[in-house]
Amino acid sequence: DAGVIQSPRHEVTEMGQEVTLRCKPISGHNSLFWYRQTMMRGLELLIYFNNNVPIDDSGMPEDRFSAKMPNASFSTLKIQPSEPRDSAVYFCASSPPLRAGYTFGSGTRLTVV
Amino acid sequence: GENVEQHPSTLSVQEGDSAVIKCTYSDSASNYFPWYKQELGKRPQLIIDIRSNVGEKKDQRIAVTLNKTAKHFSLHITETQPEDSAVYFCAASGGSQGNLIFGKGTKLSVKP
Repeated sequence: DAGVIQSPRHEVTEMGQEVTLRCKPISGHNSLFWYRQTMMRGLELLIYFNNNVPIDDSGMPEDRFSAKMPNASFSTLKIQPSEPRDSAVYFCASSPPLRAGYTFGSGTRLTVV
Repeated sequence: GENVEQHPSTLSVQEGDSAVIKCTYSDSASNYFPWYKQELGKRPQLIIDIRSNVGEKKDQRIAVTLNKTAKHFSLHITETQPEDSAVYFCAASGGSQGNLIFGKGTKLSVKP
């Protein structure tokens, strides 16, 4: 299994632009999580899905952030418009039924200038 | 919701010594407690986990203990090696929210 696949690995964009991060979970995993990691705030849960349905999006910082999971093998996290304070590493993780442990993707390092 | 506190934030030990990292959680309904290791520039990786029906679990040089009454759990690394140097995160899950909430991390440095 290729694990959780995220793209792109790095993204540099100008303030105000739309950014879309992508994630492919491990086949058979029914839960998907988006985390943001910064030095100041550590690993923050943004949103998670169970069986493609958003369960808790209370961690999404603002309306500029949105996430979708149109099917079991794909999810996106979109920031529109992006701001410099959104600069961080964004991780996607997935877990199987009964939550035997998360597997993280390699992350997307986002820099907004 | 769940809140996880982790201490210390940094820990420096000599090679061969033991290292202990402690975490507390707030939601008494939490029942799953994993530990992740994150090397610089890489993804967090699961190293050991424990469920609430177990008090201790070992895997070679790594052990985790859980005290449900006090709502705290700890990671113990014995005979530390330089390759153990990384950031370690504890997490708690399974409460009313059903998702993993992470501590802020402990940067462990093992000096040769």
